[in-house]
Amino acid sequence: GAVVSQHPSRVICKSGTSVKIECRSLDFQATTMFWYRQFPKQSLMLMATSNEGSKATYEQGVEKDKFLINHASLTLSTLTVTSAHPEDSSFYICSARLISGRAYEQYFGPGTRLTVT
Amino acid sequence: GQQLNQSPQSMFIQEGEDVSMNCTSSSIFNTWLWYKQDPGEGPVLLIALYKAGELTSNGRLTAQFGITRKDSFLNISASIPSDVGIYFCAGRTSGTYKYIFGTGTRLKVLA
Repeated sequence: GAVVSQHPSRVICKSGTSVKIECRSLDFQATTMFWYRQFPKQSLMLMATSNEGSKATYEQGVEKDKFLINHASLTLSTLTVTSAHPEDSSFYICSARLISGRAYEQYFGPGTRLTVT
Repeated sequence: GQQLNQSPQSMFIQEGEDVSMNCTSSSIFNTWLWYKQDPGEGPVLLIALYKAGELTSNGRLTAQFGITRKDSFLNISASIPSDVGIYFCAGRTSGTYKYIFGTGTRLKVLA
């Protein structure tokens, strides 16, 4: 149980184009999902919190107009990188929050490698 | 954003050896999670801890929630080559649903 999928796993796009990444919780409902960015040999940096049916909450320094988040259902959140530039190339990972009693656990997707040329 | 300090940053060990790593924070946490990340993959949840002093095992892995609630420890017994990867701790304080992630411990096992 507690499986999270991401699609695509890898994407290469040209500078100036937009890319959409999907995050799905496969066997549980998630009112809250998170989007992280990870640079090589570094830890996970939280970009934004995605809440079902409401606006996402962005961390300080993250451009909300550049990284559009839509959490349209209890099992799907999407991240759209708009007008991508080479510096947006990174490993993007989503996670979904599983609530069990008073416990909160986060389960991660397999990640999406974005390369902007 | 805020991060937890993990130690050691990296380590090389011989196959069969036991491994210990820890995570420390200036804040008191209600929950600690330990993850393992393989190259090019997302982190996989290994162990979750919910009470101070709690000791929980998952196969050869054992994690403890520190008594002060500001630290946590992960031990791997009899390491094997597939234990290679990056181990992350994550902590959550009361009143928030966000987890703060550690800086990671990179483990390399020499066969």
